[in-house]
Amino acid sequence: QQQVKQSPQSLIVQKGGISIINCAYENTAFDYFPWYQQFPGKGPALLIAIRPDVSEKKEGRFTISFNKSAKQFSLHIMDSQPGDSATYFCAALGAGNNRKLIWGLGTSLAVNP
Amino acid sequence: GAVVSQHPSWVICKSGTSVKIECRSLDFQATTMFWYRQFPKQSLMLMATSNEGSKATYEQGVEKDKFLINHASLTLSTLTVTSAHPEDSSFYICSARTPGQATEQYFGPGTRLTVT
Repeated sequence: QQQVKQSPQSLIVQKGGISIINCAYENTAFDYFPWYQQFPGKGPALLIAIRPDVSEKKEGRFTISFNKSAKQFSLHIMDSQPGDSATYFCAALGAGNNRKLIWGLGTSLAVNP
Repeated sequence: GAVVSQHPSWVICKSGTSVKIECRSLDFQATTMFWYRQFPKQSLMLMATSNEGSKATYEQGVEKDKFLINHASLTLSTLTVTSAHPEDSSFYICSARTPGQATEQYFGPGTRLTVT
């Protein structure tokens, strides 16, 4: 059972366009929602994160929109660049001991020059 | 700050042998470390959570006798794949969390294991 559902699986965007990746979760106990960027052969790197008491967070070209009632959150990459081509993962942090990250399946983004 | 290293970055071993992967937090003390494996074009799969000085907690379906985890100090955790088989070939990634920080995990660069 996938607790964090991510879409689309892959995305192709033209340089300068907006990339949008969506995630939905089921467990209302999740209280921290990070997005990670991963390049081939590398570990994931934290891109931006949000808590459920905030509806939007922006850092440079990256914005998270959060809809608590719908249990959905999305990543927007403005002015997408070829260097943004990577796999993006959304995640949600669970409650309880050790606070495990629950991962989406990932979105492969390709930004065409 | 908050840098996590892994060693080796890649390793090839023969079937039946054991291989150890190290995960170090370079500039902070990590009370909790996590070990993941990732197959090509797939998401990260949590294998186990280790807390310094105590036994690791393994996820369901992960063989603890095959994947030995030791978190002997606040800056080092090791994963030993025992009696490796070709199906153990994967990308292994560790992450670490700082004391008192209940949210963010800092990830290592990963270790590519190939079992021949």
